[in-house]
Amino acid sequence: DQQVKQNSPSLSVQEGRISILNCDYTNSMFDYFLWYKKYPAEGPTFLISISSIKDKNEDGRFTVFLNKSAKHLSLHIVPSQPGDSAVYFCAASQRIKAAGNKLTFGGGTRVLVKP
Amino acid sequence: GAGVSQSPSNKVTEKGKDVELRCDPISGHTALYWYRQSLGQGLEFLIYFQGNSAPDKSGLPSDRFSAERTGGSVSTLTIQRTQQEDSAVYLCASRPTGNYGYTFGSGTRLTVV
Repeated sequence: DQQVKQNSPSLSVQEGRISILNCDYTNSMFDYFLWYKKYPAEGPTFLISISSIKDKNEDGRFTVFLNKSAKHLSLHIVPSQPGDSAVYFCAASQRIKAAGNKLTFGGGTRVLVKP
Repeated sequence: GAGVSQSPSNKVTEKGKDVELRCDPISGHTALYWYRQSLGQGLEFLIYFQGNSAPDKSGLPSDRFSAERTGGSVSTLTIQRTQQEDSAVYLCASRPTGNYGYTFGSGTRLTVV
């Protein structure tokens, strides 16, 4: 049972345009959400996060939106740059000690930004 | 070192052999996690160590998998009698106490032939 789903395995976008990546979750106990970026042959690197008490968090070109009622979050990259071409993973966790801050990951979305 | 170090970076093994994968976390990070990524899949949680507490082994797929963390630092993931379905990239991550951000290593790509 996949608790975090990224339904688009790939996305192609023109440089300068907006990239929108989507993520859905089923576990209502999740209260912290993160996006990671992964280049080939490297480990994932943290990009941006959002707590369930917020509906938006912005960091430079990256904005994450959270819709708790829909159990949906999205990552917007504006403007997209060729260096943004990577696989993006959505992740979720429960911020209680017993959960150990384990992250549950989606399957990833491969983004290709065309020059 | 500055980051999480994993070795080897690549490992090819014959079916039925045992393998050991090593993770050297960032110094001072109390929590250590193992995940794996199979081809075309997301990251799958395997095991979690936090300080001196008993590890959370709930993600280990079978009893052929085990892990230990010695002295609260280096961790070794052992896979016994490897099977072809064990082929994946095994990722280690660590984080400091109270922080929710993981730092991942570059992973070990395991291929069982």
